[in-house]
Amino acid sequence: TQLLEQSPQFLSIQEGENLTVYCNSSSVFSSLQWYRQEPGEGPVLLVTVVTGGEVKKLKRLTFQFGDARKDSSLHITAAQTGDTGLYLCAGALDSNYQLIWGAGTKLIIKP
Amino acid sequence: ETGVTQTPRHLVMGMTNKKSLKCEQHLGHNAMYWYKQSAKKPLELMFVYNFKEQTENNSVPSRFSPECPNSSHLFLHLHTLQPEDSALYLCASSQADRNEETQYFGPGTRLLVL
Repeated sequence: TQLLEQSPQFLSIQEGENLTVYCNSSSVFSSLQWYRQEPGEGPVLLVTVVTGGEVKKLKRLTFQFGDARKDSSLHITAAQTGDTGLYLCAGALDSNYQLIWGAGTKLIIKP
Repeated sequence: ETGVTQTPRHLVMGMTNKKSLKCEQHLGHNAMYWYKQSAKKPLELMFVYNFKEQTENNSVPSRFSPECPNSSHLFLHLHTLQPEDSALYLCASSQADRNEETQYFGPGTRLLVL
């Protein structure tokens, strides 16, 4: 069974602080995606990383794919209350188009 | 607005009831999915339909019955559910034949089984 472990499960910090969340697996993925889910909504794609070592930036969010394509991190700089939500990572295998999902990191940014 | 709609948004049902969840996608995708989301657990893939054919059924109890009449519509028929089936049920779609893994989700149906 392929697993994606996300850490921490829960994080509550003050506005303006930096944070990093992690997504780790023993499986090699052809790509890895990060989604954000807000209360009452479904997950929405933030970014897809494909190449080992790849770094993508989305405003204050920086996503990195591990060199071996088994892990990924999401770093948020100067967090804002609007960043509050559940962050999910999902890995794609070469074998099919279905995704392997992590359990998510619940992030709360306090004003 | 993701292009995927789900109804109803909230549902309370007794264990002897029969109800159906509906999903519609307006993205022209050819694959549709049902997921179960419970607190602190990964999304559980329940069913996948690709080109209207069911390609996955991940050991889901028979009290859940999917139906995909065309590539834009997906139903999940529910009967004699158990309290542990209470969860958020998410529908998603993707364009599978381009090896495009991005999935577009609806807002979900919050289900409570009493």
